[in-house]
Amino acid sequence: GESVGLHLPTLSVQEGDNSIINCAYSNSASDYFIWYKQESGKGPQFIIDIRSNMDKRQGQRVTVLLNKTVKHLSLQIAATQPGDSAVYFCAENFGNEKLTFGTGTRLTIIP
Amino acid sequence: DTGVSQNPRHKITKRGQNVTFRCDPISEHNRLYWYRQTLGQGPEFLTYFQNEAQLEKSRLLSDRFSAERPKGSFSTLEIQRTEQGDSAMYLCAAGGLYEQYFGPGTRLTVT
Repeated sequence: GESVGLHLPTLSVQEGDNSIINCAYSNSASDYFIWYKQESGKGPQFIIDIRSNMDKRQGQRVTVLLNKTVKHLSLQIAATQPGDSAVYFCAENFGNEKLTFGTGTRLTIIP
Repeated sequence: DTGVSQNPRHKITKRGQNVTFRCDPISEHNRLYWYRQTLGQGPEFLTYFQNEAQLEKSRLLSDRFSAERPKGSFSTLEIQRTEQGDSAMYLCAAGGLYEQYFGPGTRLTVT
């Protein structure tokens, strides 16, 4: 079936550095992607989204890049802070309402 | 704050008992979704409502599970004759056609 996967299960980054979290998706019909942040014991928190007709979108300290040629999505977090430590999920929607999530990447910020 | 609340936050029950969870989204979200998340995994879609109509159900939603949204506002998810495999975080999300905002979840433990 269709799936969304992540390249690395864990990532450790020095505080203040930039981090990049990657995600591969397999459904070329997907037209919408979301990055979520999930802290322990909490629900996923919406970070940023991007539609398939875009290749880049920027938010506050975050940038999402979409490469449809290789079906790859990335989340860049600038100047990481301790509060960025969490599990990050990418999710895709191919126009059928439900989101399909990957297994997540755990980001740890080293002080 | 996503404007989505869930109750209870934690539920411990014995195998075979019935449990019911509630989700309260803010009024302007006409779409409401239920997901299940097990440890170390991303959320998996269960079902969704547009207003009071239940429009899609995952094959994960066995006949022991039932969801309602009687007035198009709050929603309930009931699990009958709980099994240990039902232990998970049950997440409710609300939003529009694409974006989905999650509540804090209900952690179910079946002993």
